[in-house]
Order: sequence, then structure tokens, then C-alpha cells
Amino acid sequence: DTGVSQDPRHKITKRGQNVTFRCDPISEHNRLYWYRQTLGQGPEFLTYFQNEAQLEKSRLLSDRFSAERPKGSFSTLEIQRTEQGDSAMYLCASSRQGPYTFGSGTRLTVV
Amino acid sequence: QKEVEQDPGPLSVPEGAIVSLNCTYSNSAFQYFMWYRQYSRKGPELLMYTYSSGNKEDGRFTAQVDKSSKYISLFIRDSQPSDSATYLCAMSPNAGGTSYGKLTFGQGTILTVHP
Repeated sequence: DTGVSQDPRHKITKRGQNVTFRCDPISEHNRLYWYRQTLGQGPEFLTYFQNEAQLEKSRLLSDRFSAERPKGSFSTLEIQRTEQGDSAMYLCASSRQGPYTFGSGTRLTVV
Repeated sequence: QKEVEQDPGPLSVPEGAIVSLNCTYSNSAFQYFMWYRQYSRKGPELLMYTYSSGNKEDGRFTAQVDKSSKYISLFIRDSQPSDSATYLCAMSPNAGGTSYGKLTFGQGTILTVHP
């Protein structure tokens, strides 16, 4: 058990470009969550998977955002046509039952 | 008004002090209450979790929940410089039979414990 792994740790992109982040949850965890955290704020919920099914999406997840979890294992979060307001830390978490474990996040900077 | 309010601090205390961190909330559906610690450029790490009202103690940490007042607290005894971090409260309703679902976080309180 190596914890929740996120890749990349840092991403700098130009406005308008597409970016994709990956999350590898703890292997036996069937629930996977994405959160976004901006500077000086707590994490905000984006979306939730149980196995491969995406069960809940926040209205923060605009049409430019899409998340997938094929085969109920790793997950990807894609942001299309990035905007400066997308700059944030994107956190992934996983659980089986009970409190979840967060990864170290992917820090996105849109320039 | 945010569902969960947390004083962002910053809070600076001397080593050995007792630290009190607090959150208030407005959503009476919240049933699970958590405290996370977050070091700079790291993900949040779970410290304590409680269900409904009451107290829970784990080493130097005590979590209290008062649902009637919609108020939760985290106390840190004998604070150490290694406790310097951002402390986040988080809450979840018991929705759809799952024990844990979407968390709503407070803003986080920045704590510095100086030697």
C-alpha cells in the first residue's frame, strides 16, 4: 500500500491548452474523489466515483472538466481550454468505507 | 454564507501551549465530523473523525462536537513545533446509506507553534 498517488505533481500550462491529471487510488478502495483547493481555502468537492460509476458531480465541474475512472481503478481529470481561474491544487482521495486518504495533489498553474 | 465557517487565523502559540481550533456550520444534515492536518504543498491528512455529538480523544488531540450549537472543536495539548500546519475541519451528511461521501471543508486555520 503506497497511498494515493497523483501525477504530475506540478503542471504549468498556457491558457487555452488542455491538461490531464492522473490519480491512482489505494488498491482496495472502490470510492474515488476529486477536489480542488485554491490558496487559502479548504478543498472543494468536484466529483465522486464508486468503482467506475461517476455518482456525483459538483456544479463547479463545468463543461470544460471531465473525469473518468475506467475499470474502476485509476482516474483521470481533464481540463480543456484552461483558464487562469483553473490554477489550483487538484486533490484526489480514495476510500473503501470510512474516512478517505488524500494524495499529495497536482498543482496547476495556468499562465 | 458558507456552510462551514472556520477562522483562518493565523494562530501563533509557544511550544507546550494548548491550542483550540473551531468550526461552525449551518447544515443540520451533517453527521460526520473530521479534522485534517495539511502541511505545505501536501494533501490533507486525517487526524480525527467523530460521528454525531460527543468527544473523542487520541493522544494529544481531542475532538468535540456539539450538534445542538452546530459547533466543533479540536484541542491540541502540549503543542509541538511539528504541529505547525493548516488545520481543516470537514463534515459530511449520511447520504444514501454510505457512511462517508462528499466532504464540505472549512477554510483552514494556519497554526504556528514556535519553540
